[in-house]
Amino acid sequence: QKEVEQDPGPLSVPEGAIVSLNCTYSNSAFQYFMWYRQYSRKGPELLMYTYSSGNKEDGRFTAQVDKSSKYISLFIRDSQPSDSATYLCAMLRAGGTSYGKLTFGQGTILTVHP
Amino acid sequence: DAGVTQSPTHLIKTRGQQVTLRCSPISGHKSVSWYQQVLGQGPQFIFQYYEKEERGRGNFPDRFSARQFPNYSSELNVNALLLGDSALYLCASSLNTEAFFGQGTRLTVV
Repeated sequence: QKEVEQDPGPLSVPEGAIVSLNCTYSNSAFQYFMWYRQYSRKGPELLMYTYSSGNKEDGRFTAQVDKSSKYISLFIRDSQPSDSATYLCAMLRAGGTSYGKLTFGQGTILTVHP
Repeated sequence: DAGVTQSPTHLIKTRGQQVTLRCSPISGHKSVSWYQQVLGQGPQFIFQYYEKEERGRGNFPDRFSARQFPNYSSELNVNALLLGDSALYLCASSLNTEAFFGQGTRLTVV
């Protein structure tokens, strides 16, 4: 079983739709949670970073963490064609020799149609 | 400020050859990590270096090695290349817990 599970999609939505992307994880040691956006043949770009359970909002993006359920989500409001990319969830353990080692999900391919 | 820079951007090598990939972190970042991303998968952790010391190693064979220099730049070396080493190699630099990635080096082994 993978430590981080993410539905690879692909997900196709019309412009203006609300997009929901999700990941589950099995390791309770994960304390930091990130969402990255990756355009084709580019490096991942950090979108959201959260530590505690709850919601964090940044513009059209909302990241949600539920540590009790080991479940994280990214919501995109008023989706745009420029949001078309692969979205990767990533997780990090706190401290020790694991500091800096990100564990990624498989990535979800999102296409937003005009 | 310049982001994480990697060189070269593309590389084609023959099976059995050796390759060196380079990374310059964001100014002030002392930690550099390397990841391998195969098409259709998320990045897989290879190495982490902090202050020139190896802090972590992923499940990769000894053909993979890395080092970090006094200016915090880093090199990833891969010996005896296999077809399966074809991938996007990503370098990430971090100050605390947030990691910022370069554009990657796309390695093709033929």
